[in-house]
Amino acid sequence: ILNVEQSPQSLHVQEGDSTNFTCSFPSSNFYALHWYRWETAKSPEALFVMTLNGDEKKKGRISATLNTKEGYSYLYIKGSQPEDSATYLCAFWGNTDKLIFGTGTRLQVFP
Amino acid sequence: NAGVTQTPKFQVLKTGQSMTLQCAQDMNHNSMYWYRQDPGMGLRLIYYSASEGTTDKGEVPNGYNVSRLNKREFSLRLESAAPSQTSVYFCASRRGGGVVEKLFFGSGTQLSVL
Repeated sequence: ILNVEQSPQSLHVQEGDSTNFTCSFPSSNFYALHWYRWETAKSPEALFVMTLNGDEKKKGRISATLNTKEGYSYLYIKGSQPEDSATYLCAFWGNTDKLIFGTGTRLQVFP
Repeated sequence: NAGVTQTPKFQVLKTGQSMTLQCAQDMNHNSMYWYRQDPGMGLRLIYYSASEGTTDKGEVPNGYNVSRLNKREFSLRLESAAPSQTSVYFCASRRGGGVVEKLFFGSGTQLSVL
């Protein structure tokens, strides 16, 4: 059974704080790592898809890095805003031809 | 473009009843998926269809059946609902089989089985 773990499970920060969380995945048979943002009462939406070791992606104040050799990815949010409040999901694509999702990190940003 | 449309949004069933969740996408995507979301667990794959005419089991297929009716539509059927199937169900699609193709999700169906 492939394990994709995310930490922390939840996070509360003040507006303006920068934050980061982790996705851990198997370091063997790696094909891709996806990040999705899931706001309450909405559908998950893709943020990034990363495939190469050392990959860095950026979208506004959100960025992500990838280390396939050690099996982790970090998601960073710079200067958090209340609208960043959401659950952030990572998903691992290995050799099973299926995306395996982590349990998510729930972020709440207080004004 | 509506994207991925799921119906119904909410459903309450009694144990043993059957129902079908409908999903349609208008993005000409080849692959479609059904996931369930339970508290404390990640999205778990129930069934998927890599292309029109094919379906395959995911991680948690027991108690479910699927039909890929055509390229647009992929339905999920519960033949005899059980309380363990109380969950939020998401349909998703993506353009093709490449690992960089992202998923597009429907708005979800909240199902309660009493």
